[in-house]
Amino acid sequence: GIQVEQSPPDLILQEGANSTLRCNFSDSVNNLQWFHQNPWGQLINLFYIPSGTKQNGRLSATTVATERYSLLYISSSQTTDSGVYFCAVSGTQSGGSYIPTFGRGTSLIVHP
Amino acid sequence: ETGVTQSPTHLIKTRGQQVTLRCSSQSGHNTVSWYQQALGQGPQFIFQYYREEENGRGNFPPRFSGLQFPNYSSELNVNALELDDSALYLCASTSPFSGRSYEQYFGPGTRLTVT
Repeated sequence: GIQVEQSPPDLILQEGANSTLRCNFSDSVNNLQWFHQNPWGQLINLFYIPSGTKQNGRLSATTVATERYSLLYISSSQTTDSGVYFCAVSGTQSGGSYIPTFGRGTSLIVHP
Repeated sequence: ETGVTQSPTHLIKTRGQQVTLRCSSQSGHNTVSWYQQALGQGPQFIFQYYREEENGRGNFPPRFSGLQFPNYSSELNVNALELDDSALYLCASTSPFSGRSYEQYFGPGTRLTVT
């Protein structure tokens, strides 16, 4: 199956700082999502971005599918950005089914 | 538009028992996937249901089984519970025929503790 590696595993920032989270994947993918998991376990959709660049407020993401990586940018970080950020990818299998694979996540702590 | 809901929120079971977890998909979504997330790990895909049929399965033993109902809601059943089954169980729904075909929306999860 597809392997997904996220870096860094842990990140500690001061409020207001910028950061870049990376997701590398081992094979071509048709689907890629970034999620933020809050302290209660809820996975919140950030971006569906199998290719290209998207922005939503202080967050933006870029996926370069041909080079098999995606980046999540967080600007002017806030304490509410704390949590774990996951990248999830999937290709396609015969018969139309797919098996999504998550990375191990980047744990972000933003101090006031 | 209602989001994905799961029940119960928390559950404590004893080793060897059986458990059923429930999920209602987001309005308009006909595909449901289940995930297991152990502490400190990313979610692991268990299986997916589409049109009441299993449509893909991860590396989980047969004692993990599921159902999908005509209204697209779903159940995850785990038999002969083991201590390692303690985890957060997440349900996600998708609508493969929307413009954003495999974008997944997750429920809040059920936290299962096996003692």
